[in-house]
Amino acid sequence: QKEVEQNSGPLSVPEGAIASLNCTYSDRGSQSFFWYRQYSGKSPELIMSIYSNGDKEDGRFTAQLNKASQYVSLLIRDSQPSDSATYLCAVNKGNTGKLIFGQGTTLQVKP
Amino acid sequence: NAGVTQTPKFQVLKTGQSMTLQCAQDMNHNSMYWYRQDPGMGLRLIYYSASEGTTDKGEVPNGYNVSRLNKREFSLRLESAAPSQTSVYFCASDNGGANSDTQYFGPGTRLTVL
Repeated sequence: QKEVEQNSGPLSVPEGAIASLNCTYSDRGSQSFFWYRQYSGKSPELIMSIYSNGDKEDGRFTAQLNKASQYVSLLIRDSQPSDSATYLCAVNKGNTGKLIFGQGTTLQVKP
Repeated sequence: NAGVTQTPKFQVLKTGQSMTLQCAQDMNHNSMYWYRQDPGMGLRLIYYSASEGTTDKGEVPNGYNVSRLNKREFSLRLESAAPSQTSVYFCASDNGGANSDTQYFGPGTRLTVL
């Protein structure tokens, strides 16, 4: 079992819809959770971080964390074609800064 | 601020050749990281440096060495390149620790080993 798992997709949604991206992790000791966006040929950039159970909203993005079920999700409301990218889930284990990344989910938003 | 810079951007090597990838950050971060990214594999940690003067192995260290030259610079060396090391290499930095916030990534080095 991979430490951080994502469905590689592609996930295709129409413009204006809600895109839902999911991630599960295996280490219950994980402390911090991150979503990175990566456009084709570019480097990853952080879009959301979440540290405690529940929802965290930032504009059109909402991160959700459920430590009991060991999953973290990212919702993108009013999806735009510019949101088309690969979304990487990352987990910070224990007391180091090391991140474990999932394989990423490719999102396609169709006009 | 330039953030995290990497050189070179592209490189083609022949099997057995050596090279060093350079990384520098100007954000006064304590920790620096080297990742490789292969199709469908996400980012895998090669080596990291939690602070100046320390380095540790990540998930896929075989075939690589690193040097934390000072707080700003962290280099990755391939002593004898192999086709399996064809990949995109990213350097990143952050403040480190259990509650480390954003990791900032460089633009990447696209390496092909023939």
